[in-house]
Amino acid sequence: GQQLNQSPQSMFIQEGEDVSMNCTSSSIFNTWLWYKQDPGEGPVLLIALYKAGELTSNGRLTAQFGITRKDSFLNISASIPSDVGIYFCAGRVPSPGYALNFGKGTSLLVTP
Amino acid sequence: EAGVTQSPTHLIKTRGQQATLRCSPISGHTSVYWYQQALGLGLQFLLWYDEGEERNRGNFPPRFSGRQFPNYSSELNVNALELEDSALYLCASSSNTYNEQFFGPGTRLTVL
Repeated sequence: GQQLNQSPQSMFIQEGEDVSMNCTSSSIFNTWLWYKQDPGEGPVLLIALYKAGELTSNGRLTAQFGITRKDSFLNISASIPSDVGIYFCAGRVPSPGYALNFGKGTSLLVTP
Repeated sequence: EAGVTQSPTHLIKTRGQQATLRCSPISGHTSVYWYQQALGLGLQFLLWYDEGEERNRGNFPPRFSGRQFPNYSSELNVNALELEDSALYLCASSSNTYNEQFFGPGTRLTVL
């Protein structure tokens, strides 16, 4: 699969702070997805992006599909304790197979 | 609408045994994907089934195999289990190969 670099690896922030994380790829993707995973559970889809330059919000979450098609970022505004979890980016290359390639995740800890 | 379901929740096997994991996709979804998530690691793509056919597989040995049934449910079989096969196995489904994937809660496989 394609290599996805997700950063930062972990974040430790206070409640109310804004959070930003990003993913970069050496290959062009035609889809970027952002998931959140709680311990012992499957990832839950947060935001899906299908077009270069697309900016999409889901409540306090905002994600963008980079114009180069090789990167994406996820912002969380005014973090709350339930934002704790691991956030994964995933991308799909425009080639046969259509499997998702996942980043290694960003672990987010929020203190009250 | 019911989400993706997986069974069993936990599975404990010994080295050399075989494991069978099951997945039921969201109603109306025809594609099923299998991923392996080893402790502390990201998701690694295993297999993709669509309309009963294996469409793609990740970089895993042939002892990882599976199938998709006419009702689109799927089974993952792991033969000759090795200690490093211990992981969370996640199943995801999508309505077609271009849409986002929705994950089940996973099966925790432990190989002793």
